Amino acid sequence: GESVGLHLPTLSVQEGDNSIINCAYSNSASDYFIWYKQESGKGPQFIIDIRSNMDKRQGQRVTVLLNKTVKHLSLQIAATQPGDSAVYFCAERGAGGGNKLTFGTGTQLKVEL
Amino acid sequence: EAQVTQNPRYLITVTGKKLTVTCSQNMNHEYMSWYRQDPGLGLRQIYYSMNVEVTDKGDVPEGYKVSRKEKRNFPLILESPSPNQTSLYFCASSSPANTEAFFGQGTRLTVV
Repeated sequence: GESVGLHLPTLSVQEGDNSIINCAYSNSASDYFIWYKQESGKGPQFIIDIRSNMDKRQGQRVTVLLNKTVKHLSLQIAATQPGDSAVYFCAERGAGGGNKLTFGTGTQLKVEL
Repeated sequence: EAQVTQNPRYLITVTGKKLTVTCSQNMNHEYMSWYRQDPGLGLRQIYYSMNVEVTDKGDVPEGYKVSRKEKRNFPLILESPSPNQTSLYFCASSSPANTEAFFGQGTRLTVV
């Protein structure tokens, strides 16, 4: 019979455009929200975090926005480059310590030349 | 170079044959964790450790054991592997001072 795989949501952008990757979270008690980037064949790599009492944080070419009212997190990448192609995960850190992370299911970002 | 090292990178084994995946970090981090990554499910935490001799269950601990006898090492033990433990496994370490977790390169395990 036919097999159906589980596909990641995919975002395709042109090189040089801005990318916006979205994430919904569930735990209002999380104290930090974090974005990770995972390139093919590698482990996740930390990009940026935001504390739960903040709305916005900027890094180098990246901005994270947190909307606690609707439990929504977004990662904006400015001037997207081919090296940005990867799977992006949002994660919430539980307030109980130990850096216990709960990850989202991920979004595949494809940068088209 | 600061890193988390997992071994082996790839492993094919048979149902019921005990195996251990090693994890070592050279950053003197207190916290260490194991995750499994499956298509469409993201990364799910198996076990974590806040310091030597302190371990706790994550979200999917069934079928796994861990130990933390030394700060740098956090092995993952599968006493009797089953096919549903076929997955990509990641070890991570971090410091209490910040949220950044450093991940190993992953271990792809296949249980037949």
